[in-house]
Amino acid sequence: GENVEQHPSTLSVQEGDSAVIKCTYSDSASNYFPWYKQELGKRPQLIIDIRSNVGEKKDQRIAVTLNKTAKHFSLHITETQPEDSAVYFCAARPSGSARQLTFGSGTQLTVLP
Amino acid sequence: SAVISQKPSRDICQRGTSLTIQCQVDSQVTMMFWYRQQPGQSLTLIATANQGSEATYESGFVIDKFPISRPNLTFSTLTVSNMSPEDSSIYLCSARAGEAKNIQYFGAGTRLSVL
Repeated sequence: GENVEQHPSTLSVQEGDSAVIKCTYSDSASNYFPWYKQELGKRPQLIIDIRSNVGEKKDQRIAVTLNKTAKHFSLHITETQPEDSAVYFCAARPSGSARQLTFGSGTQLTVLP
Repeated sequence: SAVISQKPSRDICQRGTSLTIQCQVDSQVTMMFWYRQQPGQSLTLIATANQGSEATYESGFVIDKFPISRPNLTFSTLTVSNMSPEDSSIYLCSARAGEAKNIQYFGAGTRLSVL
């Protein structure tokens, strides 16, 4: 089955700096890669996703890049703000409607004011 | 998007008892999922519940311990049976919805403590 590894487990940045979180996956059939943000005590919320037919996707301060050859994808947050502080999870899902998301272990991002 | 309502939001239960968690989606969905999340940990899939068929359980989870119902396209329940302190966790309902039925949304979770 799919295996997703996520690094780093914790990340502290100064407000205004950029943050990068990286994930690798094992199943070459994976073609959908979402990122979720989970604030303390809240539900995971999708913040951005990418499909394997594109290499990069941006949404304001958030971007995701995908390297299918190397089987890794990354989340980039620019101009970080204290409200970006949360746990971020990457995930991967192989093609096929019956296939499930496999989540990474999570990254605790702390943005220091 | 989809709105997923889950209840109860939290409960404290005695060892040996059972708790049923309810999950309601505001639109019809084919696939619903149940996850467990230990504090500070990632999400672990318990089972996939499709309407009209038996739930599919992941390795390490069995139907006798976590029976699931899926009576229609908007509702599911997860029961945690014969609870022990090791079952203390957050249980999350999830569904694949949206225009392409490709985006996965989550309920707010049920925080379970077993004494």
